[in-house]
Amino acid sequence: AQSVTQLGSHVSVSEGALVLLRCNYSSSVPPYLFWYVQYPNQGLQLLLKYTSAATLVKGINGFEAEFKKSETSFHLTKPSAHMSDAAEYFCAVSVYNQGGKLIFGQGTELSVKP
Amino acid sequence: ETGVTQSPTHLIKTRGQQVTLRCSSQSGHNTVSWYQQALGQGPQFIFQYYREEENGRGNFPPRFSGLQFPNYSSELNVNALELDDSALYLCASSEGSNSPLHFGNGTRLTVT
Repeated sequence: AQSVTQLGSHVSVSEGALVLLRCNYSSSVPPYLFWYVQYPNQGLQLLLKYTSAATLVKGINGFEAEFKKSETSFHLTKPSAHMSDAAEYFCAVSVYNQGGKLIFGQGTELSVKP
Repeated sequence: ETGVTQSPTHLIKTRGQQVTLRCSSQSGHNTVSWYQQALGQGPQFIFQYYREEENGRGNFPPRFSGLQFPNYSSELNVNALELDDSALYLCASSEGSNSPLHFGNGTRLTVT
């Protein structure tokens, strides 16, 4: 069975500050991990994915995530927050390397203060 | 290319009624997946259709059913609506059952 836990339902940062959104996973098989972003009244957009090629994954909009098997974590970071980063972020796990049948976490709402 | 489109965007139904939600997949995509996103929650996988056949189902009761048509568009049907069915329903299409998902903007269903 697979599951994802996102620590912190709300995260608030100042513009220009580091963004850190936490995700821990549980999986009985090697996982494929994903981060999605959802803007208000919109669907989900893929930010990045881990498919075992490299543990540090770079995505769109300056985001990156590091897969740490020993910690069962896949935290999302961005060095400098921008106002446009304010959105809901979801971590997800799948047994399929392209993301079929995703299992999502509860989500983390990111607020960016001017 | 045209992305994934869902209709209607908003819908209000009464408990016990039936509802049909529609999804047009992105050009060239033969797989459609449906997710339910309750308020404040992450999306939950309902089922996936690949070339008109159900190809996996999440933990949803049989009153949630679906169809995929020869043009790969899809419908999600929910019978005997309950208050807890109120949610954003997301459709995602892909080129195959294990290909990147492209999400639509969803249908917001409210059950009163």
